[in-house]
Amino acid sequence: SQQGEEDPQALSIQEGENATMNCSYKTSINNLQWYRQNSGRGLVHLILIRSNEREKHSGRLRVTLDTSKKSSSLLITASRAADTASYFCATDAGGQAGTALIFGKGTTLSVSS
Amino acid sequence: NAGVTQTPKFQVLKTGQSMTLQCAQDMNHNSMYWYRQDPGMGLRLIYYSASEGTTDKGEVPNGYNVSRLNKREFSLRLESAAPSQTSVYFCASSYRAGGRGNQPQHFGDGTRLSIL
Repeated sequence: SQQGEEDPQALSIQEGENATMNCSYKTSINNLQWYRQNSGRGLVHLILIRSNEREKHSGRLRVTLDTSKKSSSLLITASRAADTASYFCATDAGGQAGTALIFGKGTTLSVSS
Repeated sequence: NAGVTQTPKFQVLKTGQSMTLQCAQDMNHNSMYWYRQDPGMGLRLIYYSASEGTTDKGEVPNGYNVSRLNKREFSLRLESAAPSQTSVYFCASSYRAGGRGNQPQHFGDGTRLSIL
């Protein structure tokens, strides 16, 4: 079963607008990661936020984590057509050591010019 | 620097045939993973290998076997393919799994497998 669930499932915006997607998870975690997948390609790691961090930035990406609500958000500022992709959050499976990541079903982002 | 390489990229099988999907990484990573991706289902973990010499089942292991051949290579075998195994298969690797949190994973570009 999915540990993380992204919301919305799909998002369409214009170039220059900001895109926000959310992830909710069920159990305690060590860290939460966000990945991007372009059509026909493998996933690419974007950013990792640890359970003791509340916010992290990387270029035009801003990730927040609220462990009390078991949720995270990914904000992409000043979107470009090249940001069109699916975005996935991933968390540890139940926060146990030695276990692998569990991915959500993803948010599909379309950025039109 | 190739990263994670998967072969083949595409394959069509008939029900009951067997095949092995190959995966190799050149990043000296300890942990390797096999996922399948189906429409509307996201990525689901089939098997993973936290370190050379160990393998563990993931969420959907039935119908699959794996071999961690050495530190670089991790293969996935379908012994008797079924139409339900039609999917896109991704291999990934990371420095390590577990511990104080899973490390970022690096993915190959997938094998698109159709079973008729």
